[in-house]
Amino acid sequence: EVQLAQSGAEVKKPGDSLKISCTGSGYTFTRSWIGWVRQMPGKALEWLGIFYPGDSDTTYNPSFQGQVTMSADKSINTAYLQWSSLRASDTAMYYCARLGSTPNFFDYWGQGTLVTVSS
Amino acid sequence: DIVMIQSPLSLPATPGEPATITCRSSQSLLHSNGYNYVDWYLQKPGQSPQLLIYLGYIRASGVPDRFSGSGSGTDFTLKISRVEAGDVGVYYCMQALQSPWTFGQGTKVDIK
Repeated sequence: EVQLAQSGAEVKKPGDSLKISCTGSGYTFTRSWIGWVRQMPGKALEWLGIFYPGDSDTTYNPSFQGQVTMSADKSINTAYLQWSSLRASDTAMYYCARLGSTPNFFDYWGQGTLVTVSS
Repeated sequence: DIVMIQSPLSLPATPGEPATITCRSSQSLLHSNGYNYVDWYLQKPGQSPQLLIYLGYIRASGVPDRFSGSGSGTDFTLKISRVEAGDVGVYYCMQALQSPWTFGQGTKVDIK
């Protein structure tokens, strides 16, 4: 069974750095793209970008490029989303999701990681 | 960026009755391979989104045949033939033809 397990909720201060994780199981991690989706409180879903663990190929949403970094550790089947300097506006739920066989849809989703940035 | 506009934004549905959500894109989502790169997701209250329909009309594994997707080009429809209480939540369309992929604003479906 395909599963994506995300790291737990985080409470940070503006200017802090943060790395959240998404661990895949039940499939070959390096052969499927992983996407990241943001959902600010009470708002719609937003696509941050996609990452291919096999060769680290990455496509960022230009609106988020430079604000977040996607990466992965293939040895532990884990993808990461990180910030070097958080802002209050980064407060949101972040989902990882696996792309399907024709990589244009998300077929499995993680449970989400809630990131709260507050002074 | 391709803009996805859903309507209605709120849909009070009656159990056993049909319900329809539409999604209009600012550019054609028809790929040269003949598929429309539009997907539909349902986010039930307190849950992660789940895939319902991909490539415009293909039901994801385990999705009841009460759900159907149709349309081509810039106009797409998600139909629920007979609404059930468990169908409540927010429905999103998403285009995956052109980066950045973009979602609609969401349609909140609840039970009358």
